[in-house]
Amino acid sequence: AQKVTQAQTEISVVEKEDVTLDCVYETRDTTYYLFWYKQPPSGELVFLIRRNSFDEQNEISGRYSWNFQKSTSSFNFTITASQVVDSAVYFCALSPYGSGNTGKLIFGQGTTLQVKP
Amino acid sequence: DTGVSQDPRHKITKRGQNVTFRCDPISEHNRLYWYRQTLGQGPEFLTYFQNEAQLEKSRLLSDRFSAERPKGSFSTLEIQRTEQGDSAMYLCASSPGWAGGRNTEAFFGQGTRLTVV
Repeated sequence: AQKVTQAQTEISVVEKEDVTLDCVYETRDTTYYLFWYKQPPSGELVFLIRRNSFDEQNEISGRYSWNFQKSTSSFNFTITASQVVDSAVYFCALSPYGSGNTGKLIFGQGTTLQVKP
Repeated sequence: DTGVSQDPRHKITKRGQNVTFRCDPISEHNRLYWYRQTLGQGPEFLTYFQNEAQLEKSRLLSDRFSAERPKGSFSTLEIQRTEQGDSAMYLCASSPGWAGGRNTEAFFGQGTRLTVV
């Protein structure tokens, strides 16, 4: 079965706090891609990062960082020094390489992040 | 490049009516996807096109749903005999597909919000 679980439904922090969004995935494919998307109130999903299953290097982009651990099937996302503009719903997604490699995404339930001033 | 465009943004219809949504992908993107998102949930995959060919359909896509992508450009999603359970956000996404030895990310439109009354 292919599945993505985001156990945190809602997180509320005060501006400048660090926050980590958890993502756990299940797949039998040895090759796959993992993604994070942000969905602001406007509704459009905004791409944040893509990781393939062979690249376990952690990545940092400004205030964002991602921790990919294949051993625990996790791909967590940390926002450092959060800002009000970070308030949104964040989705983790899995794209299995098998089954024709269509690039379709399997999304988690999403985590709503509220950053208060 | 104006991004993925969806029309209409909102649609209210009476139960039993037919509705049609349109998606204009980013030009030269050969992959096109439709997803459905209900309140508080992550998007769920509905169907996938590679150019004009519909290569995968989810079991969520009942016989009342049909999608087309004539000439591999824009796509339409039609729902016949709408039911209240069809109320959701319908998201379209496109991607260049396979490039540089890896799957590329999908770019999403702002969605069409359907309300069936």
